[in-house]
Amino acid sequence: DTEVTQTPKHLVMGMTNKKSLKCEQHMGHRAMYWYKQKAKKPPELMFVYSYEKLSINESVPSRFSPECPNSSLLNLHLHALQPEDSALYLCASSQVTLDSPYEQYFGPGTRLTVT
Amino acid sequence: AQKITQTQPGMFVQEKEAVTLDCTYDTSDQSYGLFWYKQPSSGEMIFLIYQGSYDEQNATEGRYSLNFQKARKSANLVISASQLGDSAMYFCAMREPDTGRRALTFGSGTRLQVQP
Repeated sequence: DTEVTQTPKHLVMGMTNKKSLKCEQHMGHRAMYWYKQKAKKPPELMFVYSYEKLSINESVPSRFSPECPNSSLLNLHLHALQPEDSALYLCASSQVTLDSPYEQYFGPGTRLTVT
Repeated sequence: AQKITQTQPGMFVQEKEAVTLDCTYDTSDQSYGLFWYKQPSSGEMIFLIYQGSYDEQNATEGRYSLNFQKARKSANLVISASQLGDSAMYFCAMREPDTGRRALTFGSGTRLQVQP
């Protein structure tokens, strides 16, 4: 099973709202990622969690707050977003063992629109 | 810094024909990994194939094969016997060396359209 699930699939929120994106995997992966993808562009890395600890923050604005409550779950809390934050948000997971190519498995994404 | 270049913004191919999607990379590292992902209009990134920098043989996965030319720093994806369902965006990506970062750097992508 190589499934990563994300909820919701679509989200429309105002600039004063607080919402959360959820990602779940049951492949035993200990690395999880958030990417942001604007239309017609490649995904851009936002955050990396390794063994439930934040290991990379790509200078993401504080209005995006990641959380990894356990090894299967990854959340992205959103607050006071701007219209330019509208994008497809992709979650991914991967192995962390040295003998693994670390291929990342992606979820279907959440299409976020900020009004 | 690593860089991935995909020079073909769009490609057309007839159904049942083979197609090659180009990818060149630039890195000073000796150990690296190269990936190809498919992204249909639905948005999900689907892992297709992986090539390690020390792998002596070109990777193959079903109809997908990776033409790895290390000296030229190219990692082209070959899709044989194209199907209508192959129409999608294709991204080449490189994994940063094992510094614990494990991030992927993506190319700009190639949109493939398979025509009946």
